[in-house]
Amino acid sequence: DGGITQSPKYLFRKEGQNVTLSCEQNLNHDAMYWYRQDPGQGLRLIYYSQIVNDFQKGDIAEGYSVSREKKESFPLTVTSAQKNPTAFYLCASSLRGTIYEQYFGPGTRLTVT
Amino acid sequence: GDSVTQMEGPVTLSEEAFLTINCTYTATGYPSLFWYVQYPGEGLQLLLKATKADDKGSNKGFEATYRKETTSFHLEKGSVQVSDSAVYFCAPSDDQAGTALIFGKGTTLSVSS
Repeated sequence: DGGITQSPKYLFRKEGQNVTLSCEQNLNHDAMYWYRQDPGQGLRLIYYSQIVNDFQKGDIAEGYSVSREKKESFPLTVTSAQKNPTAFYLCASSLRGTIYEQYFGPGTRLTVT
Repeated sequence: GDSVTQMEGPVTLSEEAFLTINCTYTATGYPSLFWYVQYPGEGLQLLLKATKADDKGSNKGFEATYRKETTSFHLEKGSVQVSDSAVYFCAPSDDQAGTALIFGKGTTLSVSS
């Protein structure tokens, strides 16, 4: 079955540590995205990538970094510079073009203490 | 910039009641419009979409019509079920950020039997 996977589902880290969240898709989509969701809030765009080896900052990119070396993969690193990293992180992918819907992964809940 | 406004929740209904969740947006161009649904602890699933003015999206008894003149995309269902309890997000596409979506805070729907 085609889909988008994120791992792990729950992640715990100590303050000051960098952590990388995995996102893989086998839908042959060019575009991939990372969103952050906080309780009672909508989703906010962190980074997006329209094509391999290219990515753009979203609304809240500070303290995060990404890479897009393969079409299938778009890992997100939460660095120690991110002031409030505890959140639910969602990865999505889509075909290129605004008429196409995004497919979301199940999310990773990151807790930093 | 572009934005979306959804009615505040939570919305509490009895089974078989009529549902309306209002959504209005601001956009410089002509976005595609999407409704997504999120169940507790999960990622988002596409509920329906409309890509041009006067289009009606529909799925699982839910409907929404793209109203360009009022920049609205209200979600409706004639008879809700307990299983419809979830968070609903209206999301226009963002012409300024590739094919990313703009999310509001979401509307929580709770249906009781």
